[in-house]
Parts: sequence; C-alpha cells; structure tokens
Amino acid sequence: DAGVIQSPRHEVTEMGQEVTLRCKPISGHNSLFWYRQTMMRGLELLIYFNNNVPIDDSGMPEDRFSAKMPNASFSTLKIQPSEPRDSAVYFCASRPDSSYEQYFGPGTRLTVT
Amino acid sequence: RKEVEQDPGPFNVPEGATVAFNCTYSNSASQSFFWYRQDCRKEPKLLMSVYSSGNEDGRFTAQLNRASQYISLLIRDSKLSDSATYLCVVFGGGGNKLTFGTGTQLKVEL
Repeated sequence: DAGVIQSPRHEVTEMGQEVTLRCKPISGHNSLFWYRQTMMRGLELLIYFNNNVPIDDSGMPEDRFSAKMPNASFSTLKIQPSEPRDSAVYFCASRPDSSYEQYFGPGTRLTVT
Repeated sequence: RKEVEQDPGPFNVPEGATVAFNCTYSNSASQSFFWYRQDCRKEPKLLMSVYSSGNEDGRFTAQLNRASQYISLLIRDSKLSDSATYLCVVFGGGGNKLTFGTGTQLKVEL
C-alpha cells in the first residue's frame, strides 16, 4: 500500500495567490482529515470528511479556506487568497471506520511570501 | 484551557536513561487515548494506544488515570533513535475526531 499521498510536497507562493493542496487517502479508508501544523499552535484539525461528506469544518480558519472531496480517492484544500500567516505544514490523514488510528501523509510545506 | 496539555520540553537525556512524559486532558467524556511519535520534518505516526489497565510495548509503557484525566508514557533504556516529539492524543468527548497535544520533544544524547 502506498499510504496517504499528498502533493505538492513543497509550495512557495506569493501573498494573494491561490494555493491548492491535494490528497489521496488510503484505499478503503472512509474518513479523511486535513490538519495544519505550526510551531506556535501545534497540529490543528481544519476539516474532516466521512464517506466524502464534510462532517466538521469548525477548524477552517476563515472563508479563504475551502475543502472538497469529490470522490473516495481524492480531496483538495484550497486557500484563496493566500497570506503569509498561512505558512505551515498541511497534513492529510485517513482512517477506516473500524479503527481510531489515523495514517498521515508526508505533508505539504507551504510558504507564503 | 487547552483540551490536551503537554510539557513541550525538550527533555535531554543520556542514552540508557528512563524518561517519562505526562499529559492532561480537559474533557472527561473522552473515550480513547493514544501516543503518536513525530520525527523532525516527518508526519506523526501511531506509537501506541493507552488502555485503562495500562499497557506495555517493549521499552514503552503507557498509563491512563481517568479520575485525574492524566496520561503518561514511560520510555526505559532510551536509545538515540527515540529522539522525536511525542504527541498525546485524545479521541471523543463530543466529536468523532482526534485532538492532539502540542507534543513533548525528547533528545537522547550519547
């Protein structure tokens, strides 16, 4: 199994640009999670989906952030427009309904200048 | 108050030492508990679950005290390869999701 796949691994962009992060969960996993990690705030849950349906988006910081899961094998997290304070590592994770264990992708390191 | 609180460290210990990390959680309705490990610039990975009766996995022992809402992780005979950040994680208590502490950094030195 390839594990959770995220792309790109690194993204450097200028303030005001649109950023799209991508995630492919492990096949058969029903839940998908997007996290943001910074030194100051640690690992924060942004949104999670179950069976492609958004269940809890209370962690999405503001309207500039949006996430979609059009099918069971793909999700995107979009930031438009991006700001320097969005710089962080964004992790995607997935898990099956039968387990609490989440499997994380390698993360996307985003830098907004 | 944060939902899950940990001492950020760093804990600098010599190889072979025993080291213990503690964690407290605020929601008494929390159902399940875990320790995750995160290496520098890598993703978090599950280290072990924490059971009410306490559980051991090799050099690692995890314990849960529900009355005090307290979780611990003990590492015996620490190795250089144990150097990482250890994240205390809680499930449930109002949401079908994991809540992560900010982590405790461990550095094992020669």
